[in-house]
Amino acid sequence: NAGVTQTPKFQVLKTGQSMTLQCAQDMNHEYMSWYRQDPGMGLRLIHYSVGAGITDQGEVPNGYNVSRSTTEDFPLRLLSAAPSQTSVYFCASSPYGWNTEAFFGQGTRLTVV
Amino acid sequence: SQKIEQNSEALNIQEGKTATLTCNYTNYSPAYLQWYRQDPGRGPVFLLLIRENEKEKRKERLKVTFDTTLKQSLFHITASQPADSATYLCAPDTGRRALTFGSGTRLQVQP
Repeated sequence: NAGVTQTPKFQVLKTGQSMTLQCAQDMNHEYMSWYRQDPGMGLRLIHYSVGAGITDQGEVPNGYNVSRSTTEDFPLRLLSAAPSQTSVYFCASSPYGWNTEAFFGQGTRLTVV
Repeated sequence: SQKIEQNSEALNIQEGKTATLTCNYTNYSPAYLQWYRQDPGRGPVFLLLIRENEKEKRKERLKVTFDTTLKQSLFHITASQPADSATYLCAPDTGRRALTFGSGTRLQVQP
């Protein structure tokens, strides 16, 4: 059972480039979310989804897009990378709401130069 | 606005002692609260969930309390070991449809 898989693990982008961070889960979970983690700031919610076709913004959504065409996948798109988006990104999933255990991927460390 | 506060300073304790970490929340009343462990370079891992009608919950050497009057949860690790060294995150239910985390407290257990 792979759980939550994030790719790539590391990425360096130039300012203005776009890219997609991949997140896939094989547990048939309805709820998925994306966080960024910066030193001293904890995990901040970017976007989340409560099922295929349903997404919503978290507390720091600017500069990011998401879609949820399948239950398994929840990609995060950086439209035009900026140095302020240098961070570690985590994807999480939960079976039926966030009042149960959440499972996290191993993270993607992104550097924008 | 809703706030979640964890002690940002690292907690250093000796092996064998009990570690106690605090999570305070303000301006709301969560129906439940979760605790996670995060090791450097890794994603958070779920430890315990406690609901508002539960005063205390235990799992092996871990104990969580939930005081809705004080708006506080305490996380205890008894007989701590160097392997318990990590950052511990609390996530009180904020009523949103996603988890919201505190900034975490780093625990360092000295042998």
